[in-house]
Amino acid sequence: DAGVIQSPRHEVTEMGQEVTLRCKPISGHNSLFWYRQTMMRGLELLIYFNNNVPIDDSGMPEDRFSAKMPNASFSTLKIQPSEPRDSAVYFCASSFYDTTPWGEQFFGPGTRLTVL
Amino acid sequence: AQTVTQSQPEMSVQEAETVTLSCTYDTSENNYYLFWYKQPPSRQMILVIRQEAYKQQNATENRFSVNFQKAAKSFSLKISDSQLGDTAMYFCAFMKHVYNNDMRFGAGTRLTVKP
Repeated sequence: DAGVIQSPRHEVTEMGQEVTLRCKPISGHNSLFWYRQTMMRGLELLIYFNNNVPIDDSGMPEDRFSAKMPNASFSTLKIQPSEPRDSAVYFCASSFYDTTPWGEQFFGPGTRLTVL
Repeated sequence: AQTVTQSQPEMSVQEAETVTLSCTYDTSENNYYLFWYKQPPSRQMILVIRQEAYKQQNATENRFSVNFQKAAKSFSLKISDSQLGDTAMYFCAFMKHVYNNDMRFGAGTRLTVKP
């Protein structure tokens, strides 16, 4: 399996521009998570989906952030308009949500976003 | 809300020595899951070890073991025979249960293994 795939790996944009981050979860997984990692705040959960349905978006910082999961194999995290304080590494993770224990999350390689 | 605390921002250890990373958490749940993740310079998050709260036996994975103290809400990671490749950020994480499977992470401990 290729693991969780994220694109792009690096993104540099200017303040005010729209940014779209993409994620392809592991095939067969039915939970998907978006995290943001910064030096100041560590690893924060932004939003997660079970079976393509958003379950908890309380970590989304502002209305400028939105996430979608149109199908089981694809999700996007959009920032519009972007600001310099959005600069961070954004991780996508997936897991298999079921009655079985663990629900171990498998992480993608992350997207390093720089907003100038 | 569950919180996870890692009180050691940085640690170092000599190659081949043993090091213990601390983690405490706060929860009112009786059953839950605990994890240690490793993040090397490549940024990839890698699961190191995991523990179910209802299991009293401490989990072990080769050179990695945990000391799980449920009453004290403590979940420390011991790395034996440290290797240069163990140099990384280590994150402790808590998951309430599989039906609410969002994971909460601690701030991390940066471990450096010195030759």
